[in-house]
Amino acid sequence: DAGITQSPRHKVTETGTPVTLRCHQTENHRYMYWYRQDPGHGLRLIHYSYGVKDTDKGEVSDGYSVSRSKTEDFLLTLESATSSQTSVYFCAISDGQGEGDTQYFGPGTRLTVL
Amino acid sequence: AQTVTQSQPEMSVQEAETVTLSCTYDTSESDYYLFWYKQPPSRQMILVIRQEAYKQQNATENRFSVNFQKAAKSFSLKISDSQLGDAAMYFCAYKGTGNQFYFGTGTSLTVIP
Repeated sequence: DAGITQSPRHKVTETGTPVTLRCHQTENHRYMYWYRQDPGHGLRLIHYSYGVKDTDKGEVSDGYSVSRSKTEDFLLTLESATSSQTSVYFCAISDGQGEGDTQYFGPGTRLTVL
Repeated sequence: AQTVTQSQPEMSVQEAETVTLSCTYDTSESDYYLFWYKQPPSRQMILVIRQEAYKQQNATENRFSVNFQKAAKSFSLKISDSQLGDAAMYFCAYKGTGNQFYFGTGTSLTVIP
């Protein structure tokens, strides 16, 4: 299994509070991604990173920001959480070369915003 | 943006039988990759199989195989000799020349003992 961890694994918070989710990899892969998974929508890309301090928006980036100060860490921040951001969040990595740029996923974080 | 469509929200199969999950995609690119991922109740996303569009031969991994029809933009997954452990949500995914992956909405597979 690819070395990807996410923290926390579960979080309950209240509307309006800031939340930061962390993804950590030990594979030294260049690309890192944040997705959210909701019933009926599959996986939707929030933001991704193609290198340290290099990030870009995905399909559902409103209300989210990211940072990547080190190759191994990719942080997702909800500046002011809303109930619509209740979801399961997945981090994924890929090395951008060979094997079809296959993505490998972390275990997910279940976030509940009350 | 590319779109990936899985038209079967739910499927069921008898244990030891064969089932085929459908996936279609829309793209104008000629070089791309296609994937099937499995998500069991543990929620972990697991790569099942990968297909490179420039390869005409269909990918196979043990009991899992694909039927890749490039002209029809179709990428179905066949599971042979279904086992109880195959019960999961299955996602089809596409990656072209850009950095993004595009996922379908998933097919929930039930295996009946």
